[in-house]
Amino acid sequence: DIQMTQSPSSLSASVGDKVNITCRSSQTITVYLNWYQQKPGKAPKLLIFATSTLESGVPSRFSGTGSATDFTLTIDSLQPDDFATYYCQQSYFVPQTFGQGTRVEIK
Amino acid sequence: QVQLQQWGAGLLKDSETLSLTCGVDGTPFRGYHWIWIRQSPEKGLEWIGEIDHDESTNYNPSLKSRVTISLDTSKNEFSLRLISVTAGDTAVYYCASATWIKRGGVDYWGQGTPVTVSS
Repeated sequence: DIQMTQSPSSLSASVGDKVNITCRSSQTITVYLNWYQQKPGKAPKLLIFATSTLESGVPSRFSGTGSATDFTLTIDSLQPDDFATYYCQQSYFVPQTFGQGTRVEIK
Repeated sequence: QVQLQQWGAGLLKDSETLSLTCGVDGTPFRGYHWIWIRQSPEKGLEWIGEIDHDESTNYNPSLKSRVTISLDTSKNEFSLRLISVTAGDTAVYYCASATWIKRGGVDYWGQGTPVTVSS
């Protein structure tokens, strides 16, 4: 299976901060990398697909970059609604696999 | 707007069979992958498998010997069956959908069904 490694596992940030979350895959997955936001008791929500394409309705402060094995989710100017857990997922190989998650907490 | 509503038994005993169904509203089956994903504190998010409109399937090799995903287009439903469950199968189970237009990004999710397996 492709291993997806996110860092950091958790971070504390303030409203207005810029946040970067990285995701590394154990093999190249070209651009088949997706990002999700999950809040407690809810299903994950797709934020970005194909590395950098913003899902409809997702605020433009979210962006994604990367290729091959290294990817980054950036949140410009963190908002109160952004405090959640974020996951990356590769959809290139079967089985599709997820990172372990990055919890973004309020400082 | 695609809506997924899932149902099924949430409390099982060792060796029983897990059966969950997901009702699909708002889209035909063609063009989507219909997926089951589970989440537990121990294993995180785990992709179980998928079925396409033509009933072709892909399964996670770690579960392949125990899992079946099926489709009933007449009822607009797809289902998950997992046999011989153990405590390790305790998780929240989600039905979901994805399209290759979005490179497999999972854009619609069911509400989740907590499943507990006890001895």
